[in-house]
Amino acid sequence: GENVEQHPSTLSVQEGDSAVIKCTYSDSASNYFPWYKQELGKRPQLIIDIRSNVGEKKDQRIAVTLNKTAKHFSLHITETQPEDSAVYFCAAGLGVGSGNTGKLIFGQGTTLQVKP
Amino acid sequence: DGGITQSPKYLFRKEGQNVTLSCEQNLNHDAMYWYRQDPGQGLRLIYYSQIVNDFQKGDIAEGYSVSREKKESFPLTVTSAQKNPTAFYLCASSISGTSNTEAFFGQGTRLTVV
Repeated sequence: GENVEQHPSTLSVQEGDSAVIKCTYSDSASNYFPWYKQELGKRPQLIIDIRSNVGEKKDQRIAVTLNKTAKHFSLHITETQPEDSAVYFCAAGLGVGSGNTGKLIFGQGTTLQVKP
Repeated sequence: DGGITQSPKYLFRKEGQNVTLSCEQNLNHDAMYWYRQDPGQGLRLIYYSQIVNDFQKGDIAEGYSVSREKKESFPLTVTSAQKNPTAFYLCASSISGTSNTEAFFGQGTRLTVV
């Protein structure tokens, strides 16, 4: 079935350094790739997303890159701050016509710790 | 507050009992979802509904049931057939069930079997 693999499971960086989280997906028809941030005790919230017709998208300190050929996408956070500490989830939205459209498959999550 | 509300926040259940988790949204979203969150396993899809009066099984539907009688409501019943029900349950909704768009999450229900 559809699968999304996310690495690493934990990541610790110093404040000001960059953090990179990588995901691979199995369904080549996937066309939507969101990233969610979940702070402790709170609900997941969308921080950035990318669609399959775009290779890269930036929003201030965060960026996402997509390699459709290799079926992987990555989240990049630059100039990390302690408030970036959270669990980050990637997801893949399945393709149109399969009856699965609108269904998001999530990765296992990455716990990011930014040390001050 | 995101327009999607789950209740209760904490729920305790005795073994062998069914329990229903509530999820209501006022965002006029067509699609609604139930995910289960366990440490180290991410968010696993239990059931989803692309439109009212229709729903489909996700990856871990065994031991769960849902209904979608109203657009704004998608309750999840955890039945006694679910062997390991203790988990954090997240409900979500998105504008469309026929295209891929942002999912908005509720604040979650933590279910504990005692």
